[in-house]
Amino acid sequence: GAGVSQSPSNKVTEKGKDVELRCDPISGHTALYWYRQRLGQGLEFLIYFQGNSAPDKSGLPSDRFSAERTGESVSTLTIQRTQQEDSAVYLCASSLRGTGAYEQYFGPGTRLTVT
Amino acid sequence: GDSVTQMEGPVTLSEEAFLTINCTYTATGYPSLFWYVQYPGEGLQLLLKATKADDKGSNKGFEATYRKETTSFHLEKGSVQVSDSAVYFCAFKGDAGGTSYGKLTFGQGTILTVHP
Repeated sequence: GAGVSQSPSNKVTEKGKDVELRCDPISGHTALYWYRQRLGQGLEFLIYFQGNSAPDKSGLPSDRFSAERTGESVSTLTIQRTQQEDSAVYLCASSLRGTGAYEQYFGPGTRLTVT
Repeated sequence: GDSVTQMEGPVTLSEEAFLTINCTYTATGYPSLFWYVQYPGEGLQLLLKATKADDKGSNKGFEATYRKETTSFHLEKGSVQVSDSAVYFCAFKGDAGGTSYGKLTFGQGTILTVHP
């Protein structure tokens, strides 16, 4: 079946512009996650959605970052007034449930470059 | 705070050599432990996992044992192949009530290169 998809695959933007990144999770997965991977570093948690519960936003680095999810479907991550330090690969993952040790399936990522 | 410390790389081995990548974690309670792998040009994928103390996760010849007493989850393989060249990430998922509940906390990754 289809895996997690993300768009765009690459995004180059000027400093100060807003960007929107999209994630389509695996159908039926109730949990959705956003992570950020800076060059040569591990993945950094950003935000986690579980069903209709309030999202865990504890990883968002500043109020320029926000994310939404429509039901148990598509999610968008928005970065306002982008800065050069926002340059990274943004990864989305989904899992059947957020609790327990269910596997998280990762998308291919969106590579964001802020010039 | 909660964290994962991984053996720094890069690691370079000859084919058929023994591999160990060390991983220790700091977390409250009883987290689930994972190794993820990222092959060149591919997305991140689960390699193996263990959900309770003394469990051994295994896949594709790789093994890791959940050691609660040493808070470790070292990755091992007895005989590596060129096709094992990839970046390996250790991660944990906190249990209910912990600050890392629901989400994965990752180490910084270890680059492995295997030469013929």
